Amino acid sequence: DAGVIQSPRHEVTEMGQEVTLRCKPISGHNSLFWYRQTMMRGLELLIYFNNNVPIDDSGMPEDRFSAKMPNASFSTLKIQPSEPRDSAVYFCASTLLAGGHYEQYFGPGTRLTVT
Amino acid sequence: GESVGLHLPTLSVQEGDNSIINCAYSNSASDYFIWYKQESGKGPQFIIDIRSNMDKRQGQRVTVLLNKTVKHLSLQIAATQPGDSAVYFCAENPLIAGGTSYGKLTFGQGTILTVHP
Repeated sequence: DAGVIQSPRHEVTEMGQEVTLRCKPISGHNSLFWYRQTMMRGLELLIYFNNNVPIDDSGMPEDRFSAKMPNASFSTLKIQPSEPRDSAVYFCASTLLAGGHYEQYFGPGTRLTVT
Repeated sequence: GESVGLHLPTLSVQEGDNSIINCAYSNSASDYFIWYKQESGKGPQFIIDIRSNMDKRQGQRVTVLLNKTVKHLSLQIAATQPGDSAVYFCAENPLIAGGTSYGKLTFGQGTILTVHP
């Protein structure tokens, strides 16, 4: 089975540019999570969705960040405009809420570098 | 200026030894706990989980122990191998009164495990 798929795997962009990160969750999963990982702050939850509906976006750092989930098989995280401090690895994870087990399956991540 | 990053706990062991990685969690209402392994350049990978109505759960070469009295979680790895070298994260799912957490996990900072051949 294919796991969580993220694209691109690496992104290098200049400050001020728009960046769009993409995620395809595992088929059949009903919750999707976006995380950011840096050496300074560790693994931070940005936003999560259940049945394509955003549940909690309190982790989104600024209005420059936005996320959408137009259907059960696709989500995007957009940064506009990007800044050097946004440089990090961004992970998408998905899970199926059932039976009280909440193991999230992570994608390989997108390494973003903003110069 | 000098950059300040997270100072992760580290554990160094010899190949073949048993490893114990500890985690203190914060929310006494958490009902589910999970351990992840993250190798360099990869996403976190699920290892084992445990619900709050249990105090021990075993997997293949791994055991998770839960002590709710002191809010402590540990991961034991038997016969540690060089391939076990990674950062290990514990995470908790807080029980939300009158609602659902939708599977949200709160992650610890991680522990770096290094296994020497």
